Amino acid sequence: DAGVTQSPTHLIKTRGQQVTLRCSPKSGHDTVSWYQQALGQGPQFIFQYYEEEERQRGNFPDRFSGHQFPNYSSELNVNALLLGDSALYLCASRGASGGNTIYFGEGSWLTVV
Amino acid sequence: EDQVTQSPEALRLQEGESSSLNCSYTVSGLRGLFWYRQDPGKGPEFLFTLYSAGEEKEKERLKATLTKKESFLHITAPKPEDSATYLCAVQHMNSGYSTLTFGKGTMLLVSP
Repeated sequence: DAGVTQSPTHLIKTRGQQVTLRCSPKSGHDTVSWYQQALGQGPQFIFQYYEEEERQRGNFPDRFSGHQFPNYSSELNVNALLLGDSALYLCASRGASGGNTIYFGEGSWLTVV
Repeated sequence: EDQVTQSPEALRLQEGESSSLNCSYTVSGLRGLFWYRQDPGKGPEFLFTLYSAGEEKEKERLKATLTKKESFLHITAPKPEDSATYLCAVQHMNSGYSTLTFGKGTMLLVSP
């Protein structure tokens, strides 16, 4: 049983560019959320997707947007990249039938230069 | 606003030297308190979810406990492979199930 999978694992972008990160939830899970983790900090909630709609959003600007597909996979898009967007981006999934356990992927390391 | 404070920031133990990590939280309505383990460069690995004061859960050398204001992660006779950052997070009663507020973590180093 595959867990939460994310791609790419590492990427380097230039200020002002746009980036798309991808996530496939754990099998049987239908809710996907995204987190940003800066070095030395705990993860910060960006937003959550369920039934292809954004359901909850944290304190992040509109440059951060997302999408969920009918197969429950998800994308995180960040526009107009800033140096401060450099971080580990984590995807988490949860399924109603799986209780309240929230599983994280290994993350995508984004470096903005 | 939900707040989570973990202490100490870093902890160095000798193999076999038991200790506890602390997670203090402020939340107006707690649905659940989560503990995760995170290895360098990896995503958080789920350990426990606690729901009510007095609850305890165990897994190998780890035991998590919960009070109305804090949670403890007790590590009994740790081994070098227990070295990692341990993250605590709270889930608010009125937020989405996937919305967690994390602390900064405690970095644990266990020396042989």
